[in-house]
Amino acid sequence: KAGVTQTPRYLIKTRGQQVTLSCSPISGHRSVSWYQQTPGQGLQFLFEYFSETQRNKGNFPGRFSGRQFSNSRSEMNVSTLELGDSALYLCASSRTPRLAGDQETQYFGPGTRLLVL
Amino acid sequence: ILNVEQSPQSLHVQEGDSTNFTCSFPSSNFYALHWYRWETAKSPEALFVMTLNGDEKKKGRISATLNTKEGYSYLYIKGSQPEDSATYLCAFISYGGSQGNLIFGKGTKLSVKP
Repeated sequence: KAGVTQTPRYLIKTRGQQVTLSCSPISGHRSVSWYQQTPGQGLQFLFEYFSETQRNKGNFPGRFSGRQFSNSRSEMNVSTLELGDSALYLCASSRTPRLAGDQETQYFGPGTRLLVL
Repeated sequence: ILNVEQSPQSLHVQEGDSTNFTCSFPSSNFYALHWYRWETAKSPEALFVMTLNGDEKKKGRISATLNTKEGYSYLYIKGSQPEDSATYLCAFISYGGSQGNLIFGKGTKLSVKP
């Protein structure tokens, strides 16, 4: 089975631009979660999608948005980029969403490293 | 704001040493605790998902225990090997205000010297 894939792997943008990151989950997985990792902050939860619906959202400004398509692929968009948005963005997939009864293992992708200049 | 603390922040051990580290989390509204291993330049890899108080899980030389009443989990590595060098993350899920959100600790970075 192919793992979680993320594109692009590296990205350089300038302040004020917007960016779209893509995540393809493992086949059969319908839940996709996004995380941001910055030095010193650790992994922070952005949002979770399941069956094209956002189920949970972390404490991030509205500039961060996402969506999920019918094939479970997900995109994350950040508008009006700021220097502090420079980070590693990880997505993770699982078969079922959080709080779904049985706790499912999440499988992480390799991440997209975003640098905002 | 829910807080997950991991200690120590980093750990250096010799090959063959056994080691353990701690994850502390809020004891109320507990739903689940996840442990991950994150090697440099790789993706985080799930180790354990723990849900019940008193849970003990084992995977090879690595094991974990869970105490939801007092809000902590221990991860143990028996006979550390250089390939165990990684950052070990725990993540907490609650029923509360941030329900469903995975709140990560900042990790314990383990270095095993041959």
